[in-house]
Amino acid sequence: KAGVTQTPRYLIKTRGQQVTLSCSPISGHRSVSWYQQTPGQGLQFLFEYFSETQRNKGNFPGRFSGRQFSNSRSEMNVSTLELGDSALYLCASSGGSTISGNTIYFGEGSWLTVV
Amino acid sequence: QKEVEQDPGPLSVPEGAIVSLNCTYSNSAFQYFMWYRQYSRKGPELLMYTYSSGNKEDGRFTAQVDKSSKYISLFIRDSQPSDSATYLCAMSSPGDYKLSFGAGTTVTVRA
Repeated sequence: KAGVTQTPRYLIKTRGQQVTLSCSPISGHRSVSWYQQTPGQGLQFLFEYFSETQRNKGNFPGRFSGRQFSNSRSEMNVSTLELGDSALYLCASSGGSTISGNTIYFGEGSWLTVV
Repeated sequence: QKEVEQDPGPLSVPEGAIVSLNCTYSNSAFQYFMWYRQYSRKGPELLMYTYSSGNKEDGRFTAQVDKSSKYISLFIRDSQPSDSATYLCAMSSPGDYKLSFGAGTTVTVRA
C-alpha cells in the first residue's frame, strides 16, 4: 500500500514568488492535513481538509492557503514568499472522518528554501 | 507557555540502555496521544498511538499516559543505534482535526 506522496521534494524559490505543493494521501484516506516544520518553531498545524472542506486552520497568515480535490488529493499554496517561509512542509492523511480512533500518517515532506 | 512541552535534549545513551522520553501538556481536552519517530530529512513515522490513560506496549516500545498529571512517556528497551532519531510527542482532542506537537527530543544510541 503506497504511503503519502508529496511533490516536489525539494525546491528553491525567490522572495516574492509563490509556490504550490502537492499531496496524494494513502488510498482510501479522505482527511488531509498540512504542517510546517522549522528548527525554531517545530511542527505547526496549517490546515485540515475532509471531503474538500476545510475543517480547521492554524494560526498562519492568509498567504498560506490550501484545497482538496474530489479524489482527496490536496495542494497548498504560499503566495508572496518570505525568507521565514523556508521550512519542511509535511502532508498527513487519516482514514476516518475524525482523528479519534484513526492514526495519522505523514509523507516525506517538501523542503522549501526561500532566497 | 506552550501547549505541549518536551525536552529537546539531546539525549545520548549506550546501546542496550533504556531510553526514557516524556512530554507534559496543559490542555485537559487532549484524549489521543501519539509518538512519532523522525529520521534526519524524513517525515515523521508513527510509533505508538494511545487513547486516554494507561499503558501500551509494542515490541521494545512502551507508551504511558497519565491524564491526571498531564504527562506522557515513551520507553525504548534494548536501544539500538538504529533508534537514533528525533522523537516527537503529539496529541489531539475530539473534533479538533489537528495534532499539537512537542518540540521533539533528539536521541543518539552509541554502539
